[in-house]
Amino acid sequence: GQQVMQIPQYQHVQEGEDFTTYCNSSTTLSNIQWYKQRPGGHPVFLIQLVKSGEVKKQKRLTFQFGEAKKNSSLHITATQTTDVGTYFCAGTPFNAGNNRKLIWGLGTSLAVNP
Amino acid sequence: ETGVTQTPRHLVMGMTNKKSLKCEQHLGHNAMYWYKQSAKKPLELMFVYNFKEQTENNSVPSRFSPECPNSSHLFLHLHTLQPEDSALYLCASSSDRYYGYTFGSGTRLTVV
Repeated sequence: GQQVMQIPQYQHVQEGEDFTTYCNSSTTLSNIQWYKQRPGGHPVFLIQLVKSGEVKKQKRLTFQFGEAKKNSSLHITATQTTDVGTYFCAGTPFNAGNNRKLIWGLGTSLAVNP
Repeated sequence: ETGVTQTPRHLVMGMTNKKSLKCEQHLGHNAMYWYKQSAKKPLELMFVYNFKEQTENNSVPSRFSPECPNSSHLFLHLHTLQPEDSALYLCASSSDRYYGYTFGSGTRLTVV
């Protein structure tokens, strides 16, 4: 079936180091979304990418959608302790017809040592 | 507050109990969802409602029964659950016109 793989599953970094998580889909996507879930919290929408090769930035976060629209990455520059949490990617299959059928990755849990 | 309100936040129930989870959104979104989140598993979509009509039922056991009386409210009725049903149950809503799901804070369910 359609699935989205996300790596790494866990990442420990020192505060100030950079962090990247990668998302790979088994199928072409019409869009990809990224969410952050703090420990004990719920997923919070960060961004959606739609165009092939699209790059978007939110302060220290850089999101990229691959040319083939099957992979994506999230890069955090100079991590802070407030970046701690699990980052999920979720994509809409190209033939889904609407955005109500997201396929979710397993998430990457980020721990930041102060 | 996220705009999506879930109650209760925590629930402990026995396997013979009947309980209900409630979700409410006033964001004007047309779609509402129930998701199950368990450790080491991707978010599992359970049910989708669009304008209060059920559009997805992802092979969910009948011991979970959804109800959507209007496009702002969503319930999940629980009965004769199993210990493996213990998880975080998340409600979410979305709009076909704008992207991104808005999640509620979730109900942490423990079945004993």
